[in-house]
Amino acid sequence: QITLKESGPTLVKPTQTLTLTCTFSGFSLTTRGVGVAWIRQPPGKALEWLALIYWDDDKRYSPSLKSRLTITKDTSKNQVVLTMTNMDPVDTATYYCAHHRGNVDLDYFYGMDVWGLGTTVTVSS
Amino acid sequence: QSALTQPASVSGSPGQSITISCTGTSSDVGGYNYVSWYQQHPGKAPKLMIYEVTNRPSGVSNRFSGSKSGNTASLTISGLQADDEADYYCSSYTSKSTVVFGGGTKLTVL
Repeated sequence: QITLKESGPTLVKPTQTLTLTCTFSGFSLTTRGVGVAWIRQPPGKALEWLALIYWDDDKRYSPSLKSRLTITKDTSKNQVVLTMTNMDPVDTATYYCAHHRGNVDLDYFYGMDVWGLGTTVTVSS
Repeated sequence: QSALTQPASVSGSPGQSITISCTGTSSDVGGYNYVSWYQQHPGKAPKLMIYEVTNRPSGVSNRFSGSKSGNTASLTISGLQADDEADYYCSSYTSKSTVVFGGGTKLTVL
């Protein structure tokens, strides 16, 4: 059974850097075709895809946020970490991590098939 | 990349069928058969309902089906049930090797 859990601060100040950790179980991030994605959702608004890291350490970022995001993995700890710099009140949202299955180079791309429960982050001074 | 375009809301009565559209461009929806659909109930995490345009994950009811024509993908829910009332989001792989979501559609079961 695949499970993911997000953790990190619930409150950050403007201009600070946010660090979120996704701790997962039930799969290995060394398995071909597997990845972990981060998605966020501001209160009452739509989902926004942020970043994805693949089993082979290939990393993809939202073009609009690329300069502020860094995604890394620690396969020994079964964790994926997302950092977002220069936080602003508009970054207030629920942040989700999700198991991603597939890769275009492998001719399949299922998307995010298992999600964590999410963690709420508020940006305020 | 711009968000995919979805209607803000749709509604239907129990037992009826509804269709939610998701319009993109040739750089995302139209260029790849990698469209997914997600269901999100209030306060809950999204759930994958359709992947690769037409495929249902194990455990998802066959009342949910997906299709695509050109730059527009669609999700059809037949035999509407009260529990189908939720927000629905489409997503697509893009030519920049990223993923983009739609703006979401609120489904109301009358």
